[in-house]
Amino acid sequence: DSGVTQTPKHLITATGQRVTLRCSPRSGDLSVYWYQQSLDQGLQFLIQYYNGEERAKGNILERFSAQQFPDLHSELNLSSLELGDSALYFCASSVEGLAGSKQFFGPGTRLTVL
Amino acid sequence: TQLLEQSPQFLSIQEGENLTVYCNSSSVFSSLQWYRQEPGEGPVLLVTVVTGGEVKKLKRLTFQFGDARKDSSLHITAAQPGDTGLYLCAGARGGSNYKLTFGKGTLLTVNP
Repeated sequence: DSGVTQTPKHLITATGQRVTLRCSPRSGDLSVYWYQQSLDQGLQFLIQYYNGEERAKGNILERFSAQQFPDLHSELNLSSLELGDSALYFCASSVEGLAGSKQFFGPGTRLTVL
Repeated sequence: TQLLEQSPQFLSIQEGENLTVYCNSSSVFSSLQWYRQEPGEGPVLLVTVVTGGEVKKLKRLTFQFGDARKDSSLHITAAQPGDTGLYLCAGARGGSNYKLTFGKGTLLTVNP
């Protein structure tokens, strides 16, 4: 158990819909990272927040957005869903905000878009 | 084009065998990490290497960072079924030190 929690574990929805994925970082960690993992693309960095502020952006689509709340939990919002958005979405947290920091990954949310 | 290329993509071996997996790039990384991911779980960090030529050992696992900090290898001695999993390398680049770039991984199966 990494100490990072993600809900829900599984999510099945239809094209065009909007979903919200939730992540609670380890106690004391200020930074949250979101990743998307698919068979063809592998693990792709989406976005990072540090103490409530966006710090870095990766390959995140405009249909996707995220935020980190004052209690440090984070949400990833995916809208106008397409079949190709089906993937595993991981949240990770670290104490510091640098890429070389030790990141602890949650168990992931498996999103299926039908 | 994948920034970090891992090889082989798949590896199936018998318990007790040795193996090496590779992580290669044309780019220089300020640090490189290796993760293992088991089915249904998130990746777990095994090691971070930061100095060119650095070698780190973790029990039966030996990690090496290339002298030019563009490549890395993971060697497992006397593999066990518990070593089965997806091995991912991830690099942090000096100019964008907030982002980790992951390779697609090597899926290792160790048969008893």
